[in-house]
Amino acid sequence: NAGVTQTPKFQVLKTGQSMTLQCAQDMNHNSMYWYRQDPGMGLRLIYYSASEGTTDKGEVPNGYNVSRLNKREFSLRLESAAPSQTSVYFCASRDPWTGTNEKLFFGSGTQLSVL
Amino acid sequence: GENVEQHPSTLSVQEGDSAVIKCTYSDSASNYFPWYKQELGKRPQLIIDIRSNVGEKKDQRIAVTLNKTAKHFSLHITETQPEDSAVYFCAASEEGGGADGLTFGKGTHLIIQP
Repeated sequence: NAGVTQTPKFQVLKTGQSMTLQCAQDMNHNSMYWYRQDPGMGLRLIYYSASEGTTDKGEVPNGYNVSRLNKREFSLRLESAAPSQTSVYFCASRDPWTGTNEKLFFGSGTQLSVL
Repeated sequence: GENVEQHPSTLSVQEGDSAVIKCTYSDSASNYFPWYKQELGKRPQLIIDIRSNVGEKKDQRIAVTLNKTAKHFSLHITETQPEDSAVYFCAASEEGGGADGLTFGKGTHLIIQP
């Protein structure tokens, strides 16, 4: 059981380049999330998708776009990368309405450096 | 929206001693409070959680307490071991209230001194 799989694991970009981070889950979860983790800042929510076909902004959405391609996949796109987007990105999923399954499952992370 | 404050940011304890990490939250509607452990270079993983209808929960050397009136909750680790060294995050959300994600504290770096 793979859980949450995200790619790539590492990426170096130049300022202004674009890229897409891919995420897929095989737990049949309705909700998926993208967080970024910066030293001393904890985990901050970028965007989330409550269910297939919906997406909403989180705490730090500027400079990012997302696509919920289907129930399994949720991608994060940086259209024009900036050094301030250097961070570790985590995809996560859960099913918050089942009453006993609020547990958030994380992918292994993507370490992104923007030069 | 919810705001979660976590203290201390760094905690160093002797192996075998206890460690306590404290969090406060702002939204009285929050009723689900998980704790995540993140080892260096790894993903965060849930270690224990508590819901608002429970005041305390234990799992071997780990316990979490919740004071809804004061809006704070704490993680207690007893008989600390080297493998407890990690960054710990508290979080809060409203169970069943939507899918807008967990709000995390900024983390506590726990260092276990041999």
